Amino acid sequence: DGGITQSPKYLFRKEGQNVTLSCEQNLNHDAMYWYRQDPGQGLRLIYYSQIVNDFQKGDIAEGYSVSREKKESFPLTVTSAQKNPTAFYLCASSPNTQDYNEQFFGPGTRLTVL
Amino acid sequence: AQSVTQPDIHITVSEGASLELRCNYSYGATPYLFWYVQSPGQGLQLLLKYFSGDTLVQGIKGFEAEFKRSQSSFNLRKPSVHWSDAAEYFCAVGARGAGGGADGLTFGKGTHLIIQP
Repeated sequence: DGGITQSPKYLFRKEGQNVTLSCEQNLNHDAMYWYRQDPGQGLRLIYYSQIVNDFQKGDIAEGYSVSREKKESFPLTVTSAQKNPTAFYLCASSPNTQDYNEQFFGPGTRLTVL
Repeated sequence: AQSVTQPDIHITVSEGASLELRCNYSYGATPYLFWYVQSPGQGLQLLLKYFSGDTLVQGIKGFEAEFKRSQSSFNLRKPSVHWSDAAEYFCAVGARGAGGGADGLTFGKGTHLIIQP
C-alpha cells in the first residue's frame, strides 16, 4: 500500500534531550513537509523540502532541524533548543512542486517532553 | 503573507441537519484553497480543493464548498450530517513561492464539529 508512515506514534523524552521523528513515503512525491499542531492553534509549518538535499525553513523552524538525503525520507530532529516541544507532529508530502497539488498527511507522532 | 480565519471554534449540529463551516482567507492573488478533516489523534484527510474554474467544488463524503472571491471566503457545506462527521475541520490556503514550486500550506485554527443525536 502506498502512503506516508510516521514513527513512533507516541514518544516520550526527558527535557534537554534531542529526539528524531521519522517520516517515510512510498508515493514517489517530490515535496515533503513537517507541521506542528497544538490544541486550538491549527497546524504550523516547521520545514519543507521540494527536492533531495534541499530544504527551507517554515514559520516556526527555531529549535528544529531536518535532512533530505533520500526522496522518500524526511526526518525531523527536535533539539534541546526548542522551548516547548510537546506537541503533535504531522508529516506530509505532495507530488509535484511546479503545480499546486494537495498535501497527503501521515498519521502523526505525539511527542511529550517530561 | 497569506492567512486563514475560521471564526467558529465549535459548532453543534443535530444529526440530519445541514451544515456550513466558515472560512475566510487573505491572499493577494488567486489562492489555492483546501478543506481537510481530522479525527482525534489522526492525520488529516483532504475533503476537497479549489485551484481554478468552477467556484462550486464537490468533495468526498457529500461535502461541497463555494469559492467567493468578493467575500474572500471558501465555506464548507453538507446538506445532511451524519454522526460520523464529528471531527475537526481545517481550511487551508496555499500560495506559489517566489521561486516557483509548492510551499507549505497556511491553516486556520480549525472548527470542532459536534453532532447531536
